[in-house]
Amino acid sequence: GNSVTQMEGPVTLSEEAFLTINCTYTATGYPSLFWYVQYPGEGLQLLLKATKADDKGSNKGFEATYRKETTSFHLEKGSVQVSDSAVYFCALKGGGGSYIPTFGRGTSLIVHP
Amino acid sequence: NAGVTQTPKFQVLKTGQSMTLQCAQDMNHNSMYWYRQDPGMGLRLIYYSASEGTTDKGEVPNGYNVSRLNKREFSLRLESAAPSQTSVYFCATAQGAGELFFGEGSRLTVL
Repeated sequence: GNSVTQMEGPVTLSEEAFLTINCTYTATGYPSLFWYVQYPGEGLQLLLKATKADDKGSNKGFEATYRKETTSFHLEKGSVQVSDSAVYFCALKGGGGSYIPTFGRGTSLIVHP
Repeated sequence: NAGVTQTPKFQVLKTGQSMTLQCAQDMNHNSMYWYRQDPGMGLRLIYYSASEGTTDKGEVPNGYNVSRLNKREFSLRLESAAPSQTSVYFCATAQGAGELFFGEGSRLTVL
């Protein structure tokens, strides 16, 4: 079946540091890939997505590239802010004709001033 | 445009009581999902409905039932609540292979 593995947290950074959160996946077919963000006390919301190989999703300074050869979708940001502190979830959907989403376990990011 | 609305936002139950979590969407999406979120466990799928009139079990369906009342509404029922069902519950919707849209969550405590 499909699976998503993302690095365990928490990831603790100082403001303006570079961020990478690793995400790898196993899936049949050609799934769409997503990063969701969850701020404290809120539901998840879409951060960015990519629907085919080599696509780059970007939003709010975050980027991730769909790498089929390495089955990866790593999240990056060049300079994090305190307001980026949240939990980040990598997910896939649509592989093998199934529309049941598969989520990673989430990575907590803490950014200090 | 409300998106996905969950009620109630907070609930405290005693063991053995029953309750229903309500979810309504105004996005005209076919698919709806119920998840629970527990510390260190990520999101776990309880039940989903690929379209109006269909429901299927997810990863952790035991102790829960669902009803897809119409295209807009998807309810989750706990018939006899247990402390292990203390959690935050999220409803989500999607269209095809697109992204999920989540409600704000319902925080349930079972004493």
